[in-house]
Amino acid sequence: DAGVIQSPRHEVTEMGQEVTLRCKPISGHDYLFWYRQTMMRGLELLIYFNNNVPIDDSGMPEDRFSAKMPNASFSTLKIQPSEPRDSAVYFCASSFAGFKNPFFGSGTQLSVL
Amino acid sequence: QKEVEQNSGPLSVPEGAIASLNCTYSDRGSQSFFWYRQYSGKSPELIMFIYSNGDKEDGRFTAQLNKASQYVSLLIRDSQPSDSATYLCAVIPSYGQNFVFGPGTRLSVLP
Repeated sequence: DAGVIQSPRHEVTEMGQEVTLRCKPISGHDYLFWYRQTMMRGLELLIYFNNNVPIDDSGMPEDRFSAKMPNASFSTLKIQPSEPRDSAVYFCASSFAGFKNPFFGSGTQLSVL
Repeated sequence: QKEVEQNSGPLSVPEGAIASLNCTYSDRGSQSFFWYRQYSGKSPELIMFIYSNGDKEDGRFTAQLNKASQYVSLLIRDSQPSDSATYLCAVIPSYGQNFVFGPGTRLSVLP
């Protein structure tokens, strides 16, 4: 298995633009997590899905952020409009049966200018 | 008080020494504790998890849990330069199913 696949690896955009991050979880995993990592705030859980259904989105910072999981093999995290304070590394992770041993993707380094 | 606290470091140890990394948590009812390693520019990877009081050993790594004192530690024996990374403590609190990560401790093993 190729692991959790995220794209793009790097994204540079201008303030106000829409940004879409993509994730393909490990086949057979029924949980998918989106995390954000910054120097100031560390690693924060944004939202997680179980069997494609959003379970907890309390970590989503504001309405500019949205996430979808249309099927078991694909998820997106969208920021519209983007702001410089959204600059961070965004990780997608997946697991089988909850929070035990989620596997992380390589992350997307987002820079909003 | 932050939910999960770690010294940010850097913690520097000579090659071959024991590195001791500590983590404290605020929710007394927490049941599950995890240690992740993250190399610079890479994603976190799970090293160990521990659920019960006491020690759990895996190769050069030992996790220690003391629920009464609300701390969990990670010992790395015979430290190698390749162990140089940031170590993240993660806790699943009693009030939810989410991981809460600590800020991480940066470890530097000097050859």
